[in-house]
Amino acid sequence: EAQVTQNPRYLITVTGKKLTVTCSQNMNHEYMSWYRQDPGLGLRQIYYSMNVEVTDKGDVPEGYKVSRKEKRNFPLILESPSPNQTSLYFCASSGTGGDTQYFGPGTRLTVL
Amino acid sequence: GENVEQHPSTLSVQEGDSAVIKCTYSDSASNYFPWYKQELGKRPQLIIDIRSNVGEKKDQRIAVTLNKTAKHFSLHITETQPEDSAVYFCAATRSGNEKLTFGTGTRLTIIP
Repeated sequence: EAQVTQNPRYLITVTGKKLTVTCSQNMNHEYMSWYRQDPGLGLRQIYYSMNVEVTDKGDVPEGYKVSRKEKRNFPLILESPSPNQTSLYFCASSGTGGDTQYFGPGTRLTVL
Repeated sequence: GENVEQHPSTLSVQEGDSAVIKCTYSDSASNYFPWYKQELGKRPQLIIDIRSNVGEKKDQRIAVTLNKTAKHFSLHITETQPEDSAVYFCAATRSGNEKLTFGTGTRLTIIP
């Protein structure tokens, strides 16, 4: 089954404790992206990747890191999480930019 | 960069009536406009999209119109049903571009 998976689905952590949210897709998609969703603000892009070893900043990259060492995986790293990073995070993938994006199930992160 | 505005933020419609959601975009080079539906607690899913070489596209009860001159596009849902209740997001990007910019969403409620 073609899908985008994220782990964990729910995470409660404390300020400053490094964490990684994993994202994996099995559709051989070149393009992957991370979004955060906050009430009233819609979906805002954090980082995106056009292919292996190619990443770039989206609209709200501060406080986040990403890597793309393999085509199927695109982890989101919070080196020192802060309460303003409490949000719902979605990973997405597509065959190319400007094409249908398939979203993962989301990760609800709470930073205390 | 691209800026997408979406209106209204909330919309209540009697079952069987039509619903219209409108978006405007700022980048005249944008040429791909998808619409996503997000049910409560679920991931966004593409419901319809339109490219700039087309003025209108229809899929059963859902249609999207695009006015390139005015830089706005709209989602039309006819004969609304309770299962249409959800949050709807518009988005805009250039084909081959990695940045998909979303509107802030419209919460549609269908009143039985």
